[in-house]
Amino acid sequence: EPEVTQTPSHQVTQMGQEVILRCVPISNHLYFYWYRQILGQKVEFLVSFYNNEISEKSEIFDDQFSVERPDGSNFTLKIRSTKLEDSAMYFCASSQRREETQYFGPGTRLLVL
Amino acid sequence: AQSVTQLGSHVSVSEGALVLLRCNYSSSVPPYLFWYVQYPNQGLQLLLKYTTGATLVKGINGFEAEFKKSETSFHLTKPSAHMSDAAEYFCAVSAPNTGNQFYFGTGTSLTVIP
Repeated sequence: EPEVTQTPSHQVTQMGQEVILRCVPISNHLYFYWYRQILGQKVEFLVSFYNNEISEKSEIFDDQFSVERPDGSNFTLKIRSTKLEDSAMYFCASSQRREETQYFGPGTRLLVL
Repeated sequence: AQSVTQLGSHVSVSEGALVLLRCNYSSSVPPYLFWYVQYPNQGLQLLLKYTTGATLVKGINGFEAEFKKSETSFHLTKPSAHMSDAAEYFCAVSAPNTGNQFYFGTGTSLTVIP
């Protein structure tokens, strides 16, 4: 069964460093998403992406964040200058159509020191 | 605006007992509703969803949920808990035609006591 994959599974970085989180959505899906889950808190929406552009973003998704689909398979989330409060689990998701079920990857646990 | 409230951050049941996890939502439009399960160190797995049609929906692993518009609820149930059901459960709502982001509840951690 097709699934969303994410790399790396864990990343430790120093405050101020740039990180890139990678996701490979399900191949015939057209909508892509990033969510984050700070330890002990709810899963929060960051951004959705369709047709090579951002379709929605939350207040959390400020200028430090960017997303890109650099090729036909990868979908990336970049954090330009990480802060301690960026430490969280980051989930990628994809869906075939808007409002369809979103399928989630296993997550990348980011720790900013 | 959409939001989800999950009553009870921790629920414990005995093996074989009824599982009831509560979810209430707020939505400005008829919602789509979802339950996801998260096992330790894993991602979110879809258990079941309601979009339109029959209000009682059945999902994987013997779980089901009923959409009750009058109560703005979408509670998750399973008649008989199994040890393997121990996990974190998240209710989520989306608002069709207004956006495609999901709004999640804070989650309910289910413990199954042997």
